[in-house]
Amino acid sequence: KNEVEQSPQNLTAQEGEFITINCSYSVGISALHWLQQHPGGGIVSLFMLSSGKKKHGRLIATINIQEKHSSLHITASHPRDSAVYICAVKSVIQGAQKLVFGQGTRLTINP
Amino acid sequence: NAGVMQNPRHLVRRRGQEARLRCSPMKGHSHVYWYRQLPEEGLKFMVYLQKENIIDESGMPKERFSAEFPKEGPSILRIQQVVRGDSAAYFCASSPPASGGALSYNEQFFGPGTRLTVL
Repeated sequence: KNEVEQSPQNLTAQEGEFITINCSYSVGISALHWLQQHPGGGIVSLFMLSSGKKKHGRLIATINIQEKHSSLHITASHPRDSAVYICAVKSVIQGAQKLVFGQGTRLTINP
Repeated sequence: NAGVMQNPRHLVRRRGQEARLRCSPMKGHSHVYWYRQLPEEGLKFMVYLQKENIIDESGMPKERFSAEFPKEGPSILRIQQVVRGDSAAYFCASSPPASGGALSYNEQFFGPGTRLTVL
């Protein structure tokens, strides 16, 4: 079992739908990243959080430290949101700074 | 403030050749991380460096791979005698020095990646 599990692995939705991507992890963490990777492959950091909730535009990220779970929500989804979304954690056990990644969720938003 | 820069963006090598991948961190960042993304797989940590020091290389293959981050200039990931299995996207990230000791964490910012193809 991977230390970081994402669900679903693939998600297809219609433009305008509310999107939720989930991330569960099995280690103690000090921080969690949500990353976006577009076709062509560059990686953009969307959020870094260690507690509570963060919002940026149509994106919302939440984390529940006790349940070891985080969610990424996209409101009013748009075809340009189509990308792979990756959850990554900084483990307190595995050393000072390296990230451990989920397998990613491939999101496709159809017009 | 320019972001993390990597070059080349695409690199083609024949089996047995050497590949050198470069990463220039963001201004003010002294920590560099290399990650590899094999085709259809997730990102995996390779190595974490500070200026002139390798801090954690637990993700580096034991042979043919090496990394450095000299006092001056970019960080280099070097792959000797490349094989087809080395074909992947190699991402570099940088962060400022961690404050508050070893268990603290500063956000990492990613470069655009270098896509290595071994023929």
